[in-house]
Parts: sequence; structure tokens; C-alpha cells
Amino acid sequence: GAGVSQSPSNKVTEKGKDVELRCDPISGHTALYWYRQRLGQGLEFLIYFQGNSAPDKSGLPSDRFSAERTGESVSTLTIQRTQQEDSAVYLCASRGGAVYEQYFGPGTRLTVT
Amino acid sequence: DQQVKQNSPSLSVQEGRISILNCDYTNSMFDYFLWYKKYPAEGPTFLISISSIKDKNEDGRFTVFLNKSAKHLSLHIVPSQPGDSAVYFCAARRGYGGSQGNLIFGKGTKLSVKP
Repeated sequence: GAGVSQSPSNKVTEKGKDVELRCDPISGHTALYWYRQRLGQGLEFLIYFQGNSAPDKSGLPSDRFSAERTGESVSTLTIQRTQQEDSAVYLCASRGGAVYEQYFGPGTRLTVT
Repeated sequence: DQQVKQNSPSLSVQEGRISILNCDYTNSMFDYFLWYKKYPAEGPTFLISISSIKDKNEDGRFTVFLNKSAKHLSLHIVPSQPGDSAVYFCAARRGYGGSQGNLIFGKGTKLSVKP
């Protein structure tokens, strides 16, 4: 595709429910990142996938958060038993080749009520 | 511990004038710096970058300056246009250890360019 796409664009869920967020990276991009942006804050790194290597999960805030990626395609970020502090915009980015620039999707705005 | 700091949450300038957005970092191992621009309800878009071996990079109206000794970089926009109004994020790349390519972001500076 032309750019990184994410779905849904908005998600409102009740506290305690599970949510799944999807990211479609730019075709051919081997690296994929998930970030979170809380209100008034910068982008907080969550997880990084590079090809078939084991993902870097060092940014995941708790074991309620997990992510998967199949090959070099779609990734899903799952948040179990959502809490109100999980409310944020979740951004996905992909990167290809030797360049350092990451290209972001429009994000998913998650609101936990 | 914030490794990338943008100390000005907002900046307002007049159309046609210069906008200067500042960014400070603490980690001398960062080897690449990027600026992203973000409009409301959109993801950040890459604007301009600079390698740590350079002190200036220019692209049209946008110039990034890097002062390694001061661990400081700045983005100059001249002349500023109303369409430049957005949140600007400074980011630094960690060029060592695992997860190379990870970017550390500042909190952003909201630029308003007034007609």
C-alpha cells in the first residue's frame, strides 16, 4: 500500500475488556514499531519487530500488552483487561532497508471507560 | 529519565518570520536525529534528519542544526507559513546495542503560525 494503515481509527471499550489493534505496514518494510502517545506526552516505544528476529518487547508496560507479526506483514497489538490508563493513541510505524526514518500510520485512539 | 527534551511546549510566530524549535538530549551515543511533524488526528510525518557527523542539514525552508558539544539541536523554518502549524517532535536514534533503529522522542512543541 501507499502508506502505513491502522484500524480501527477509534476504539471505545469498557474497563476490563480486551482490545486488538491492527497495523498494515508499508509493503516491503522489514521493521515495524508500536508506540503509544498519552495526552500531552511524547511517543512512548512499546515493541519492535525486525524481520524474523525475536521482537524487542522492552517497552511493553505490563504483561497485559502483547503483539504479534506474521512475517513482514500485518501486526496486531493486543491489550488484555484494559485499564483507564491504557487510554492513548496507539501508533504503528514501519521502516525499510538501511534508512533510519520511520513512517507512521494515523494511529488508533483508544478510550477506556 | 527523559533522554530527549523539548522544553518549550508551544511556540507562536508570525507568518513570514523564522520559527526556531529546540531540542536537547542527554545520551552522547545517539547517532542520528530526526524531526517529525504531526497534525491533529494524523500520525507523525518525517520532516528532516541529521547524522551526528554533520552540523547542518537543509531542505527547502527547513534547516536542522546540531551542536554535539552542547547536545542540542534546533529546527529552523523560514519563512514560516500557517500550514506549518502543527506539533513538532524531535527524535534521536540509539545507534548501539540491541534494537538499533529505535527512536527516542521528545514530548513535542506545538507551533502556531499566525497570518
